[in-house]
Amino acid sequence: AQTVTQSQPEMSVQEAETVTLSCTYDTSESDYYLFWYKQPPSRQMILVIRQEAYKQQNATENRFSVNFQKAAKSFSLKISDSQLGDAAMYFCAYRSATPGNSGGSNYKLTFGKGTLLTVNP
Amino acid sequence: EAQVTQNPRYLITVTGKKLTVTCSQNMNHEYMSWYRQDPGLGLRQIYYSMNVEVTDKGDVPEGYKVSRKEKRNFPLILESPSPNQTSLYFCASSFDGTGSSGANVLTFGAGSRLTVL
Repeated sequence: AQTVTQSQPEMSVQEAETVTLSCTYDTSESDYYLFWYKQPPSRQMILVIRQEAYKQQNATENRFSVNFQKAAKSFSLKISDSQLGDAAMYFCAYRSATPGNSGGSNYKLTFGKGTLLTVNP
Repeated sequence: EAQVTQNPRYLITVTGKKLTVTCSQNMNHEYMSWYRQDPGLGLRQIYYSMNVEVTDKGDVPEGYKVSRKEKRNFPLILESPSPNQTSLYFCASSFDGTGSSGANVLTFGAGSRLTVL
């Protein structure tokens, strides 16, 4: 079974600075997808960025970018020019690209425990 | 607006009183699933559905039932709720589990906070 580990329970950053959140995962698969979701105090789960494992190029979405190291099974999120609205819980998640033996069991998102990001003004 | 809608958003109930949390999506997604979020345990999958009339257990299915009679709806049923089912519940959907261009991205509902006394 796949596992996702976020080793930083909490992080803080000054407004306008850059912060990197760490994520490692364990899998024997070669084809999969990785995601970062943001959960603000409203509890809504919001997609921040996604990465296909077959793509070597790191994904970027405005101020958010990832450092995807497939061999090391590492998927960190970099937030540049941090804003107060970035304060939230951030979850790293893994999703298989193959259905599994029971026709879909592998399609679940496996989440890390989350990193709580505080942005200081 | 493309979205996943859950109801109720908040519910306090008592042990043993059957309840249903509804989930509806307007994106013609084939894949739907339910998660529960608990402090220290993260999000865990309860049930999922690959399409109409196709459902299967996730990691923590005990005490829950689901049905998928229509493509857009995927209700979560607690036949006899117990206090250990107090949690934050999320419904999520995607086109399927594979593919590119976002077909594999799960869209989440706003969450349903359930308290069982």
